[in-house]
Amino acid sequence: AQKITQTQPGMFVQEKEAVTLDCTYDTSDPSYGLFWYKQPSSGEMIFLIYQGSYDQQNATEGRYSLNFQKARKSANLVISASQLGDSAMYFCAMRERTGANNLFFGTGTRLTVIP
Amino acid sequence: GAVVSQHPSRVICKSGTSVKIECRSLDFQATTMFWYRQFPKKSLMLMATSNEGSKATYEQGVEKDKFLINHASLTLSTLTVTSAHPEDSSFYICSAEATGKGTDTQYFGPGTRLTVL
Repeated sequence: AQKITQTQPGMFVQEKEAVTLDCTYDTSDPSYGLFWYKQPSSGEMIFLIYQGSYDQQNATEGRYSLNFQKARKSANLVISASQLGDSAMYFCAMRERTGANNLFFGTGTRLTVIP
Repeated sequence: GAVVSQHPSRVICKSGTSVKIECRSLDFQATTMFWYRQFPKKSLMLMATSNEGSKATYEQGVEKDKFLINHASLTLSTLTVTSAHPEDSSFYICSAEATGKGTDTQYFGPGTRLTVL
């Protein structure tokens, strides 16, 4: 079974509007971390935001916030006040505390910001 | 944030040659580094986990004799693609784990685009 599922291959958003990128995960590990990365056309993976499974509050980092719904196993990324520079691929990832310590990545969502 | 460099950023080589890619953590020490491969418009696929001072752990289906990994210090891991062939052409990207702060966040290098002719 897929550990990370991103169901939106592509999303469009008007500049200055907010957009939500969906991510659901699957794990039986009680302790895990969830990450969002941005990959512009240059290829590098830019870390955006982290949410721990035991964190009581949703993570926020500037214009990025993570809508963490543990019971539904979802960790959606919300980008507020979209900018043209936000156009990129966005990957959701998870790391489980037990077992291997690598990241499991979703298939990504390509976000296009329209001027 | 933590900075990871990768060198070279782009390499073109002839079939049969070997290519070495370096991954460095510039402002932190990383006992663990990861090597990923990414095909066009696809997600990242973990190839191997590199541990400082010990042998790398390879994912199923990844040939350890073809993709040699050396993690000689806390700031450097190298991936050598031996006897490269056109099917090895891909985007290779490394990450280093910055421990502490309870997040164990992985920071990625800028990637290396390998083209084998």
